[in-house]
Amino acid sequence: SAVISQKPSRDICQRGTSLTIQCQVDSQVTMMFWYRQQPGQSLTLIATANQGSEATYESGFVIDKFPISRPNLTFSTLTVSNMSPEDSSIYLCSVDQPGAEAFFGQGTRLTVV
Amino acid sequence: AQSVTQLGSHVSVSEGALVLLRCNYSSSVPPYLFWYVQYPNQGLQLLLKYTSAATLVKGINGFEAEFKKSETSFHLTKPSAHMSDAAEYFCAVSARSGSARQLTFGSGTQLTVLP
Repeated sequence: SAVISQKPSRDICQRGTSLTIQCQVDSQVTMMFWYRQQPGQSLTLIATANQGSEATYESGFVIDKFPISRPNLTFSTLTVSNMSPEDSSIYLCSVDQPGAEAFFGQGTRLTVV
Repeated sequence: AQSVTQLGSHVSVSEGALVLLRCNYSSSVPPYLFWYVQYPNQGLQLLLKYTSAATLVKGINGFEAEFKKSETSFHLTKPSAHMSDAAEYFCAVSARSGSARQLTFGSGTQLTVLP
């Protein structure tokens, strides 16, 4: 199984600022995924981060708001830009491995004030 | 297209009592089904998964779930609740595999275990 470390685990940010969330995996993986979990709601896939190519965004999510980097096969970042209180959520990094289920990081609990 | 409905956003049981968390799914193709648990300040951990083998699936920590195609259900049960079971539980459906790209999650059920 993959071990995923996310930083920061939580943060309180001022509106209008940006926060970059880091996701580190202990093994090389082809695809990494970023999810958002809004208060009282389900997990929603934001984008798929592939090494060496642009991230693929789901409907309703755009690169200008959620830029993603994937510099190598074990690391990715998600930036939440120009934050508003509506961005207050838990952001989760996930990976999957061939023949296995999805593994998730501990999540980043973001509060925008 | 696929979707998941978890009935009851909050469930409370007494320690030692039966735990029953309900999940109904919708899928246009035979589904793979999963239950994940999220303990406070932690990520999601897989409890169990159904991938078209036995309809009764046993997972970790004494949990099990039964796939009922006729009822499009995949309810999670545990015979005797323990205080350490208090957490949020998510049911998820996938059309092909357990890849995170194809998972659709339910809204979650918060389980409280009363002493």
